[in-house]
Amino acid sequence: NAGVMQNPRHLVRRRGQEARLRCSPMKGHSHVYWYRQLPEEGLKFMVYLQKENIIDESGMPKERFSAEFPKEGPSILRIQQVVRGDSAAYFCATTQGSNQPQHFGDGTRLSIL
Amino acid sequence: TQLLEQSPQFLSIQEGENLTVYCNSSSVFSSLQWYRQEPGEGPVLLVTVVTGGEVKKLKRLTFQFGDARKDSSLHITAAQPGDTGLYLCAGDSGENFNKFYFGSGTKLNVKP
Repeated sequence: NAGVMQNPRHLVRRRGQEARLRCSPMKGHSHVYWYRQLPEEGLKFMVYLQKENIIDESGMPKERFSAEFPKEGPSILRIQQVVRGDSAAYFCATTQGSNQPQHFGDGTRLSIL
Repeated sequence: TQLLEQSPQFLSIQEGENLTVYCNSSSVFSSLQWYRQEPGEGPVLLVTVVTGGEVKKLKRLTFQFGDARKDSSLHITAAQPGDTGLYLCAGDSGENFNKFYFGSGTKLNVKP
């Protein structure tokens, strides 16, 4: 998974706090996908972004969750007022373009106390 | 939502044995990918299959895409402890971008 950097690797938050997860794409990649993975389960698509644009957010919860991919800097997945059910591993994958292989980061493990 | 079901959910075998894991759906996919994921890491792409009936080999791993592009299998010959991991299949819906639907995975443990 060299190249796609996610940080932090582990994040602990108390209920009601905000969580910010960052994803820096591989060099040359301008497409970012965010996924959520619960223990012993596969990955669930959340959102697909290109630079400065949200292309598809059909997998995002309607409230508290937002994502951005600014012109400069990493993509951010933001969860406001976290609840215990938000505990999961969050992965991003990046590609050079649509219909190109996705390269995954090593994820951020979010724990809510 | 296009569902992919993987079976078996868990598999524990001895080194040297052969095994097959399955990925089934009622939906047609334009392509299907297999990943392996190790604890604490992200999924790593093993193969992409695109054509119905396609067979791809990667050393001891053989991947097959069903004729109707609804199912796939992964066969491992002479499994080794290094094959241990979570094997995930993901189907591409064929929309304008790679929107993948992941199965819940097969957790493989190969005992030395």
